[in-house]
Amino acid sequence: GAGVSQSPSNKVTEKGKDVELRCDPISGHTALYWYRQSLGQGLEFLIYFQGNSAPDKSGLPSDRFSAERTGGSVSTLTIQRTQQEDSAVYLCASSLVGRVNYGYTFGSGTRLTVV
Amino acid sequence: KQEVTQIPAALSVPEGENLVLNCSFTDSAIYNLQWFRQDPGKGLTSLLLIQSSQREQTSGRLNASLDKSSGRSTLYIAASQPGDSATYLCAYTQGGSEKLVFGKGTKLTVNP
Repeated sequence: GAGVSQSPSNKVTEKGKDVELRCDPISGHTALYWYRQSLGQGLEFLIYFQGNSAPDKSGLPSDRFSAERTGGSVSTLTIQRTQQEDSAVYLCASSLVGRVNYGYTFGSGTRLTVV
Repeated sequence: KQEVTQIPAALSVPEGENLVLNCSFTDSAIYNLQWFRQDPGKGLTSLLLIQSSQREQTSGRLNASLDKSSGRSTLYIAASQPGDSATYLCAYTQGGSEKLVFGKGTKLTVNP
């Protein structure tokens, strides 16, 4: 597609439920990144994919968070047993090869609200 | 600890004014630094990318500078317009890492 597509754009869920957030990167972009933006906080790195592998998942805040990427394309971020502190905007970005010098393209994000 | 500080947190200026946004970082081993713009409800748009070996980059009315020795970067916006109103974020990567380390941003309002 023309840009990075994320779905849903908004998600309200009850505490304790599982949620799945989807990212569809630009076609041909081999690198994919997930970030989280909490209210009043800066963007926080979660995980980086190169192809289907995740060489850096150091930003995942707990084992309730997981992500996968299939076919070198679509990625899903799963949060199990959601907590109120998980409420944030989750942003996905992709780039052609990796490394910022090739340029990131960000999606519009998924706003997650845990009630 | 990797930290990026952006000052001021918010800025309101009249249209036509030239302005400077500041970004400071504690990590001296940066690989490159990038300035982004974020509009409400939207993703981030990359504005300028400065490699660690460079001192500045220019695009239209925007000029970004980088001083690694002092841990500072500035984004200069000339002849500001209401359409420039947005939150401006700076972020850097380290050598050997793919992740961007972000500041909290400066919210700019340009009044007509």
